[in-house]
Amino acid sequence: KAGVTQTPRYLIKTRGQQVTLSCSPISGHRSVSWYQQTPGQGLQFLFEYFSETQRNKGNFPGRFSGRQFSNSRSEMNVSTLELGDSALYLCASSYGQSGNTIYFGEGSWLTVV
Amino acid sequence: AQSVTQPDIHITVSEGASLELRCNYSYGATPYLFWYVQSPGQGLQLLLKYFSGDTLVQGIKGFEAEFKRSQSSFNLRKPSVHWSDAAEYFCAVGATTDSWGKLQFGAGTQVVVTP
Repeated sequence: KAGVTQTPRYLIKTRGQQVTLSCSPISGHRSVSWYQQTPGQGLQFLFEYFSETQRNKGNFPGRFSGRQFSNSRSEMNVSTLELGDSALYLCASSYGQSGNTIYFGEGSWLTVV
Repeated sequence: AQSVTQPDIHITVSEGASLELRCNYSYGATPYLFWYVQSPGQGLQLLLKYFSGDTLVQGIKGFEAEFKRSQSSFNLRKPSVHWSDAAEYFCAVGATTDSWGKLQFGAGTQVVVTP
């Protein structure tokens, strides 16, 4: 059974640009969550999608957005990139109910220059 | 509001010695608790989880954790550490179904293993 797949793994963007990251959850999983990991702030929750609907949202500016498709694949977008957006972005998937195991992908490393 | 505290930012342990990583949580109801491990440049790998039942849970790679409700703790242990256990370890708490994908993580504990 394939794990959570994130693409691209590494990318470099210029300040002011936008970026789209993709996440393919484990087959059958309907919940996809996104996290930002930085040395200073640790692991911070961005948002969660369940059956194409945003179910939860963290405390991030509106430049951070996401969506989920009917096949449960998810994308997150960051517009008008800032240097502080440089981070490891992690995607996690589960069946979406209490007690379900939550699995993480390898992450997408974003560097903003 | 729920929160997770990992009091130790950094731990150095000799190979073959025992390891214990501390985790304290604050949560109004029965928590769902996880331990994840992250090797450099990698994602998070689930070591073990506690949802209910037996308070001593076994995980992968020889790790175990004990849930103590009276102390609001979920400490991770390994009897004999291997060099490959050098990594960062995160404790996390999950909420109810409506917020299931929203894990609250501790700050992490960096484990260094010396020969």
